[in-house]
Amino acid sequence: QKEVEQNSGPLSVPEGAIASLNCTYSDRVSQSFFWYRQYSGKSPELIMSIYSNGDKEDGRFTAQLNKASQYVSLLIRDSQPSDSATYLCAVRTGFGAGTTVTVRA
Amino acid sequence: DAGVIQSPRHEVTEMGQEVTLRCKPISGHNSLFWYRQTMMRGLELLIYFNNNVPIDDSGMPEDRFSAKMPNASFSTLKIQPSEPRDSAVYFCASSFNNEQFFGPGTRLTVL
Repeated sequence: QKEVEQNSGPLSVPEGAIASLNCTYSDRVSQSFFWYRQYSGKSPELIMSIYSNGDKEDGRFTAQLNKASQYVSLLIRDSQPSDSATYLCAVRTGFGAGTTVTVRA
Repeated sequence: DAGVIQSPRHEVTEMGQEVTLRCKPISGHNSLFWYRQTMMRGLELLIYFNNNVPIDDSGMPEDRFSAKMPNASFSTLKIQPSEPRDSAVYFCASSFNNEQFFGPGTRLTVL
């Protein structure tokens, strides 16, 4: 079983909608969880980190963590065309395959 | 801060040649990571160092790959001999508190 699994996508949402990205992980002792954004041809960029159960909000982004279910998610509210990218879930040094999001203007 | 610096940005070489990729981490970061990214396999961790000491090299594909970190401000990833299947983008990342910052990557093409 891969360490980190993401909903494969691609995900297409209209501008202004909410994009919802999901991720599950296998390592029960993990304490650090991250979301990275990667534009085509660029390097991954950290956008959210979360360490405790519950929600963490940063601008239009909300990360949610449920350690009992080994589940972490990312919500992008009021999606903009500039949010079109691949989003990578990471647990310590293990990365998911990424979910490509396209925001339609 | 200039961020993580990698060189070269692009490398084209022929099968059998030695390739050396270089990385300068962000000053003050104590962990350094080497990743490889391909369409087929995604982002794979090759090796990571903590305080210049290799901690986990289980992702290094085979003996053709080697990595060093002689000091806190420099690391190399060497492939010898290179093969076409090594073609990928190689990223270096550094961190201080588990949050990793990536360099721009080196796009390697082995003909």
